[in-house]
Amino acid sequence: DTGVSQNPRHKITKRGQNVTFRCDPISEHNRLYWYRQTLGQGPEFLTYFQNEAQLEKSRLLSDRFSAERPKGSFSTLEIQRTEQGDSAMYLCASSLEDRGGKLFFGSGTQLSVL
Amino acid sequence: KNQVEQSPQSLIILEGKNCTLQCNYTVSPFSNLRWYKQDTGRGPVSLTIMTFSENTKSNGRYTATLDADTKQSSLHITASQLSDSASYICVVSAPGSARQLTFGSGTQLTVLP
Repeated sequence: DTGVSQNPRHKITKRGQNVTFRCDPISEHNRLYWYRQTLGQGPEFLTYFQNEAQLEKSRLLSDRFSAERPKGSFSTLEIQRTEQGDSAMYLCASSLEDRGGKLFFGSGTQLSVL
Repeated sequence: KNQVEQSPQSLIILEGKNCTLQCNYTVSPFSNLRWYKQDTGRGPVSLTIMTFSENTKSNGRYTATLDADTKQSSLHITASQLSDSASYICVVSAPGSARQLTFGSGTQLTVLP
């Protein structure tokens, strides 16, 4: 396991459809984060898991968004009834609790809502 | 409100030249500051971490400085290479919850041959 893996890399969907993204963190990392990034901006925090527990959620995470990490390993981010404003890069990151906050990012899933 | 401001927004330099990127922050309390490099279409990769007591840290051709009194950091790139073309993001961490990572908008660096 050489890094954080995200699938798919790209997703094109029509407005109103549901989409699901997957993130496989570095295996020994207990913390997992989801971020959203639009062009020319830094990542915006969405949610955070420690093991299987979802400990924090941003108010950006509307009721159309849900994230899970059922066994404390991989995580999924689902967006229901997608809107054009959801178009962005969705980044997953993982970290070890005692590493001073160093995040290891995946390559992201680029979502385009038509 | 915690904020991280980066300048310039974009920068174009010729290969072999040096450049300096700036980061000003208002995050308090402060835990550490990281510089990340993000290639187009990829996730950010950590370059350096600076804690409160550190003034300078180098990683190859990258040198980061931190002035915790004025809440300013810089990233100096020496002898730039084409592969340095990327967005450089400053991230400031406050102690406590995971959401307490404040990201700057990044400086888009383009190195031309």
